Amino acid sequence: QQQVKQSPQSLIVQKGGISIINCAYENTAFDYFPWYQQFPGKGPALLIAIRPDVSEKKEGRFTISFNKSAKQFSLHIMDSQPGDSATYFCATPPRGADGLTFGKGTHLIIQP
Amino acid sequence: NAGVTQTPKFRVLKTGQSMTLLCAQDMNHEYMYWYRQDPGMGLRLIHYSVGEGTTAKGEVPDGYNVSRLKKQNFLLGLESAAPSQTSVYFCASSRNRADNSPLHFGNGTRLTVT
Repeated sequence: QQQVKQSPQSLIVQKGGISIINCAYENTAFDYFPWYQQFPGKGPALLIAIRPDVSEKKEGRFTISFNKSAKQFSLHIMDSQPGDSATYFCATPPRGADGLTFGKGTHLIIQP
Repeated sequence: NAGVTQTPKFRVLKTGQSMTLLCAQDMNHEYMYWYRQDPGMGLRLIHYSVGEGTTAKGEVPDGYNVSRLKKQNFLLGLESAAPSQTSVYFCASSRNRADNSPLHFGNGTRLTVT
């Protein structure tokens, strides 16, 4: 089964700081790398995704950076806010099946 | 639109009992998925369906069965529940393949097996 290794497992950042979460993958069927955000008691929701025809994608305060040679991609949250406190999952499409293979998640806490 | 609706929200079972979790989506999506979420394990795919009448195994299918008799519904069954199946179960749907369109998740069913 394809592995997606996500780090750190938990992260505490001061309000206004930069939150950085990293993912490394082994192989993927398609070049598509999404990040999902999950609040307590809710299902995950797509936050931002990248296709590596570009090395970086920015949407508001959220940026994905992608390094194909290193098989790594990361999520940067600029000017982190308490409302960003959530669990974040990276994911990749697995070979030979549909759906997404998710990382184990990062529990992010933004301290006011 | 309600999106993806899961019922029930909570359930407690005794070992050996059976139950069915219901997922309904009103977005006319072709693809539907069942995931389980356990602390420190992330989301793991149990079964999925690429259209009405189809099902396929995911990463952790043992102990579960599924059916997709109608396009809008995807049922997850536990024939003989075990404590290892204590988890939060999420259903999701997508318009196309997961590498091509976002997954829309329900709010989960919290299942405890004693």
